[in-house]
Amino acid sequence: NAGVMQNPRHLVRRRGQEARLRCSPMKGHSHVYWYRQLPEEGLKFMVYLQKENIIDESGMPKERFSAEFPKEGPSILRIQQVVRGDSAAYFCASSLTTYEQYFGPGTRLTVT
Amino acid sequence: KNEVEQSPQNLTAQEGEFITINCSYSVGISALHWLQQHPGGGIVSLFMLSSGKKKHGRLIATINIQEKHSSLHITASHPRDSAVYICAVSANTGNQFYFGTGTSLTVIP
Repeated sequence: NAGVMQNPRHLVRRRGQEARLRCSPMKGHSHVYWYRQLPEEGLKFMVYLQKENIIDESGMPKERFSAEFPKEGPSILRIQQVVRGDSAAYFCASSLTTYEQYFGPGTRLTVT
Repeated sequence: KNEVEQSPQNLTAQEGEFITINCSYSVGISALHWLQQHPGGGIVSLFMLSSGKKKHGRLIATINIQEKHSSLHITASHPRDSAVYICAVSANTGNQFYFGTGTSLTVIP
């Protein structure tokens, strides 16, 4: 049973470009979470999704950020018009229930 | 104030030493998690606890629900244990995970 997959592992974008981060949950998991880890800071919750639904997006910045988890395919975290402050590690986790989460390897976004 | 507080922030130990990392939380929880993150690496879940104590190899995790406190112990520490250890809790209301800021452990040979 493959673990949580994230791609790309490293992503470099220039200011103003779009970044798309993908997360494939563990087989059978229908809950997906996105977290951001800014340099020298701890992990922060961004959004919680179930298939085709956003359950809690209270940690998402109000502008430029969006997330989806379609019926088929991976969950996508999309950042439009990236700025240097978006440079961070973005982790995805999946779960069967809301108690135990399995983390992906993360995508390290660098905005130049 | 953070919902989850860890101490110490940084810890350096000699190989073979017994190590303790502490975690206190202020919210009602359904479970507490200890995670490990190597530099530049992904996150590995070490333990999930809702009561008592769990042991895996040289790692032991305990939780006291009444005191809202958990400890992670590493016996006979080894340089490969060097990593950041993160305490996280699943709140029993809503859907969120709250994370501590992590304890950076360095074990010197």
